[in-house]
Amino acid sequence: NAGVTQTPKFQVLKTGQSMTLQCAQDMNHEYMSWYRQDPGMGLRLIHYSVGAGITDQGEVPNGYNVSRSTTEDFPLRLLSAAPSQTSVYFCASRRQNEQFFGPGTRLTVL
Amino acid sequence: DQQVKQNSPSLSVQEGRISILNCDYTNSMFDYFLWYKKYPAEGPTFLISISSIKDKNEDGRFTVFLNKSAKHLSLHIVPSQPGDSAVYFCAATDSWGKFQFGAGTQVVVTP
Repeated sequence: NAGVTQTPKFQVLKTGQSMTLQCAQDMNHEYMSWYRQDPGMGLRLIHYSVGAGITDQGEVPNGYNVSRSTTEDFPLRLLSAAPSQTSVYFCASRRQNEQFFGPGTRLTVL
Repeated sequence: DQQVKQNSPSLSVQEGRISILNCDYTNSMFDYFLWYKKYPAEGPTFLISISSIKDKNEDGRFTVFLNKSAKHLSLHIVPSQPGDSAVYFCAATDSWGKFQFGAGTQVVVTP
């Protein structure tokens, strides 16, 4: 039981490049989320999904897209990276009121 | 608009003493509160939670207190151990299910 996995662990992008952060969970949780962590800001919700085929925006969705074609996978896409998207990204899956987080992806946009 | 606030960015405590972490919230619709612990280069892990119908929940060395009238909760760690050195996030959720996190408190336990 791997829990929540994220790839890559680290990534450096140039402004304007695109990429996809991968997230997978093997706990059969319907609810999954993407957060970003910035100094002094805590964890802020980017997008979330309550089940396959259903996604919605969180607190800071601009510049990010998501899709949920399966229960297991919830990728986060950056269409045109900007320096303001330099952050640590966490994917989480949820069972009732408890969230399980992945190890994070540290993204730097130059 | 931060609805969950942790006003102390850091806390230093001696090993064996009590650590007290504080958290304030503004949204009266929050009905469930959680504390997460985070080590460097890892994701946050669940530590302890409390429902709004309770005012205290205890799990080993960790106790969470909730004061609904003051919209305040605290986490007590007794006794503090070196392995408790981490960032602690307070979180709150309402019946709609969205989580709001505080900015975190870095705890350093010194020998």
